Amino acid sequence: GNSVTQMEGPVTLSEEAFLTINCTYTATGYPSLFWYVQYPGEGLQLLLKATKADDKGSNKGFEATYRKETTSFHLEKGSVQVSDSAVYFCALWKGSASKIIFGSGTRLSIRP
Amino acid sequence: NAGVMQNPRHLVRRRGQEARLRCSPMKGHSHVYWYRQLPEEGLKFMVYLQKENIIDESGMPKERFSAEFPKEGPSILRIQQVVRGDSAAYFCASSPQTPVTLNTGELFFGEGSRLTVL
Repeated sequence: GNSVTQMEGPVTLSEEAFLTINCTYTATGYPSLFWYVQYPGEGLQLLLKATKADDKGSNKGFEATYRKETTSFHLEKGSVQVSDSAVYFCALWKGSASKIIFGSGTRLSIRP
Repeated sequence: NAGVMQNPRHLVRRRGQEARLRCSPMKGHSHVYWYRQLPEEGLKFMVYLQKENIIDESGMPKERFSAEFPKEGPSILRIQQVVRGDSAAYFCASSPQTPVTLNTGELFFGEGSRLTVL
């Protein structure tokens, strides 16, 4: 079946460090891929998305590229801030299914 | 414009009691999804509803769990005879679009209801 596997956390970085959170997926065909973020005490919100191979989603300095050949959608940011501390969820939507499938989430903590 | 509202935010129940979790979708949204997050695990899909209809309940446990989204009022996730394994965060999300046209992939989430079963 369809599934998402993402990097286990927690991840702790210093401010201005480079961030990568790995995400790989299993699905037939061409799913749409997403990153959602959950800030402390809040619900999830969409961070970025990509709907076809080689698409790059970007938002708030975060980027992720849809790599069909490696079935990956890694999240990156060049210089993280304390305010980026949150839980990040990778997700896919197969199209014909009625639900979005989420990974287990990666908790990110940024030290000042 | 208020977002997705879930209540209660925190609920404590003893084994064998019933838990009712409510979700009011964003204004104009007629599609509701429930997800469960067990401690240290990801979000697991439970059920997808439209007004007065259950569209996909493939993630719902076969017993004790039920969901509804009536014509008027919030969506309700009901858990009967709770057990300790039901302790989790339950998230509701809403969308204005059907799955076929859900090409933005954006679900709007509430802040969750955290159920603790003693």
